[in-house]
Amino acid sequence: AQSVTQLGSHVSVSEGALVLLRCNYSSSVPPYLFWYVQYPNQGLQLLLKYTTGATLVKGINGFEAEFKKSETSFHLTKPSAHMSDAAEYFCAVSSTGGGNKLTFGTGTQLKVEL
Amino acid sequence: NAGVTQTPKFQVLKTGQSMTLQCAQDMNHEYMSWYRQDPGMGLRLIHYSVGAGITDQGEVPNGYNVSRSTTEDFPLRLLSAAPSQTSVYFCASTQRGRNTEAFFGQGTRLTVV
Repeated sequence: AQSVTQLGSHVSVSEGALVLLRCNYSSSVPPYLFWYVQYPNQGLQLLLKYTTGATLVKGINGFEAEFKKSETSFHLTKPSAHMSDAAEYFCAVSSTGGGNKLTFGTGTQLKVEL
Repeated sequence: NAGVTQTPKFQVLKTGQSMTLQCAQDMNHEYMSWYRQDPGMGLRLIHYSVGAGITDQGEVPNGYNVSRSTTEDFPLRLLSAAPSQTSVYFCASTQRGRNTEAFFGQGTRLTVV
């Protein structure tokens, strides 16, 4: 079975500081990995997705993620946090077996402080 | 394009009552899914469908039924609501292919008292 683990349920950064949200995956086959963002009282929207062969993936709103097979990681970063980045972030893996079923991590709540 | 539309947005039920959460998508996506979101647990898959007439169970299917009579609609039925079903429910749709983006509705916040 495939799974993802997000370290840190809450992360707080200052505006302008680096954002680093951690995600590690477990998969016996090449994984299909995603980062989704959820703003308060909203549904989830895609930030970025891993494409086989690429190690650095760029997403919306200045976010990017680096796929490291040796570390089974897909950490999300942004060089400079903005107040509007405050949200909950979910790492997810698409399972095999059809249906595009997603297995989500437990989420990381990002707080951005002045 | 409305995307994925869920109704209602909020609902309060008494224990034992039944109800249907509605989900409709206008993107002609083959795959649709229902997830529930609980604090500290992320989103967990309840049921999913790979096309009209085809449904299957996810990780937490007990207490829920689904059907898919059309490509557009995928309702979720709570048969006899329990307090443990208090949660936020999200419907999602995707095209075929493991690397495709899932589009989510705005969610239904359900409280069972």
